[in-house]
Amino acid sequence: GESVGLHLPTLSVQEGDNSIINCAYSNSASDYFIWYKQESGKGPQFIIDIRSNMDKRQGQRVTVLLNKTVKHLSLQIAATQPGDSAVYFCAENRRGRSGGGNKLTFGTGTQLKVEL
Amino acid sequence: EAQVTQNPRYLITVTGKKLTVTCSQNMNHEYMSWYRQDPGLGLRQIYYSMNVEVTDKGDVPEGYKVSRKEKRNFPLILESPSPNQTSLYFCASSPWDRNQPQHFGDGTRLSIL
Repeated sequence: GESVGLHLPTLSVQEGDNSIINCAYSNSASDYFIWYKQESGKGPQFIIDIRSNMDKRQGQRVTVLLNKTVKHLSLQIAATQPGDSAVYFCAENRRGRSGGGNKLTFGTGTQLKVEL
Repeated sequence: EAQVTQNPRYLITVTGKKLTVTCSQNMNHEYMSWYRQDPGLGLRQIYYSMNVEVTDKGDVPEGYKVSRKEKRNFPLILESPSPNQTSLYFCASSPWDRNQPQHFGDGTRLSIL
């Protein structure tokens, strides 16, 4: 499959452990944030999102935390499984030039490796 | 099944030979966008469209064209491809509401020799 990036930060975890992937965003005016998962040879897949009026949001085995004070976002994956191995991107949503729609700015990603 | 479909998935071509990458979505989304993904640079937006006949430049539009004649289709056109456009390209779509996640296709790997 295609490589989605060279020299990505890598997080290695044991199967069954919890994973925490961090992301710093740049624009204090961003008000919507998304985590994506990208497996080799595939497009980014939506995991979870959070709006800026929230600090925490939970999904199935995943939790996103937002700290607006320090412009930091994290993704927590509980009981990490081999199928979680992928590159994870955070994205912040800024208003497009025409005033609506979505203009996503992506981080460069973190490679998660799950060891058996 | 809700999906974004890109074609071709892989293409090797030569400098200057016009090419089009098609993108189609079946979710009735108003918003569509093209990104390129390069090692170390992540995903960067090329062009986007908020509805039929409404398009705008993203962060790296040089060398690309788009059109949005129908809601479901958003082709990316390289009139005169150059080697620096060798990349992995993704099309995405979402409802117009800005607080909705974008859904991505599986990508098109372009190699310009």
